[in-house]
Amino acid sequence: GNSVTQMEGPVTLSEEAFLTINCTYTATGYPSLFWYVQYPGEGLQLLLKATKADDKGSNKGFEATYRKETTSFHLEKGSVQVSDSAVYFCALHNTGGFKTIFGAGTRLFVKA
Amino acid sequence: EPEVTQTPSHQVTQMGQEVILRCVPISNHLYFYWYRQILGQKVEFLVSFYNNEISEKSEIFDDQFSVERPDGSNFTLKIRSTKLEDSAMYFCASSPNGRDTQYFGPGTRLTVL
Repeated sequence: GNSVTQMEGPVTLSEEAFLTINCTYTATGYPSLFWYVQYPGEGLQLLLKATKADDKGSNKGFEATYRKETTSFHLEKGSVQVSDSAVYFCALHNTGGFKTIFGAGTRLFVKA
Repeated sequence: EPEVTQTPSHQVTQMGQEVILRCVPISNHLYFYWYRQILGQKVEFLVSFYNNEISEKSEIFDDQFSVERPDGSNFTLKIRSTKLEDSAMYFCASSPNGRDTQYFGPGTRLTVL
């Protein structure tokens, strides 16, 4: 079946450090891939998405590239800020399916 | 920008009571969903709804749960007899079609005592 695996947290970084959160997926067909962010006490916000192989999604300095050959969609940011502290969820939505499947989430702490 | 809204933001109830969680999806969207997130855990799919009927549901969505679109704007999740383990954040989502991005509401935190 379809599934998403992402690196366990928490991830603790200093401000301006480089961020990578790994995400790999298992799916039949050609899913769309997403990163959602959940700030403390808030709901899920779509951060970025990619709908086909080699697409790069980007938003607010975050990027992720849809790599079909490695079934990955790693999230990166060149210089994190304290305000980026949140939980990040990798997710997929498969063609013909109705549900979005989420990874377990990775909590990011950024220290000043 | 249009967004999904949910009410209430926090609901506290006694075990065995019925609760109804309300959602207003984005107005031109056709597909509606409920997900839940037990504190500190992953977001889990509950049910999807299209054309006034359930299109897919998970094993979590048992007979205690039901969904309804009572009018042209609201989408509700009813839990008939709440259990302690129903305590979670419940997210509503909507999508213009079954293939595109799902837009999530801010969630309703349900606490069952």
